[in-house]
Amino acid sequence: GAVVSQHPSRVICKSGTSVKIECRSLDFQATTMFWYRQFPKQSLMLMATSNEGSKATYEQGVEKDKFLINHASLTLSTLTVTSAHPEDSSFYICSASSRGSSYNEQFFGPGTRLTVL
Amino acid sequence: ELKVEQNPLFLSMQEGKNYTIYCNYSTTSDRLYWYRQDPGKSLESLFVLLSNGAVKQEGRLMASLDTKARLSTLHITAAVHDLSATYFCAVDMGDGSEKLVFGKGTKLTVNP
Repeated sequence: GAVVSQHPSRVICKSGTSVKIECRSLDFQATTMFWYRQFPKQSLMLMATSNEGSKATYEQGVEKDKFLINHASLTLSTLTVTSAHPEDSSFYICSASSRGSSYNEQFFGPGTRLTVL
Repeated sequence: ELKVEQNPLFLSMQEGKNYTIYCNYSTTSDRLYWYRQDPGKSLESLFVLLSNGAVKQEGRLMASLDTKARLSTLHITAAVHDLSATYFCAVDMGDGSEKLVFGKGTKLTVNP
């Protein structure tokens, strides 16, 4: 149980285009989803927290107009990188937690590698 | 602000040896997680430590938590090459937000 999927797993796009990444909880309802980015050889950095049906909460320094997050249902959150530039190239990882679990553990998706040319 | 420090950041060891990775954090929290990450992959959950004195073991890895010292350890016993990976500790912020703060990670290389 507690499987989280991400799609696509890898995307290459041209500078200036927008890219949408989907995060799905496959076998549980995710009350909260988190979006992280990870640069090579670095740790995970939390970008934003999203709760179903409400606006995402962004961490300091993360541009909410650049990284649009939608958490439309209890099993789906999307991250759209708008007008992507090469510096947005990174590994994006989502996680999902369920209030139903005893300690709200986060379950991580497999990640999406974004390369902006 | 919660800060999480891991050390060492890099660890090269021989097969069969023992070693410990340390994770210190700066403010009160009673939930700590250990993850493994292989190159190009996402995180694999290893241990969830929920209370002071918690100790968990899985194979050659054992994790412990001392909330009073704000310290967790990940001990590796008789390392094998398959344990080569990057290990992260993550601490729950403890403010009800469910947010985690990650350490910088320890890149472990086990040499034959």
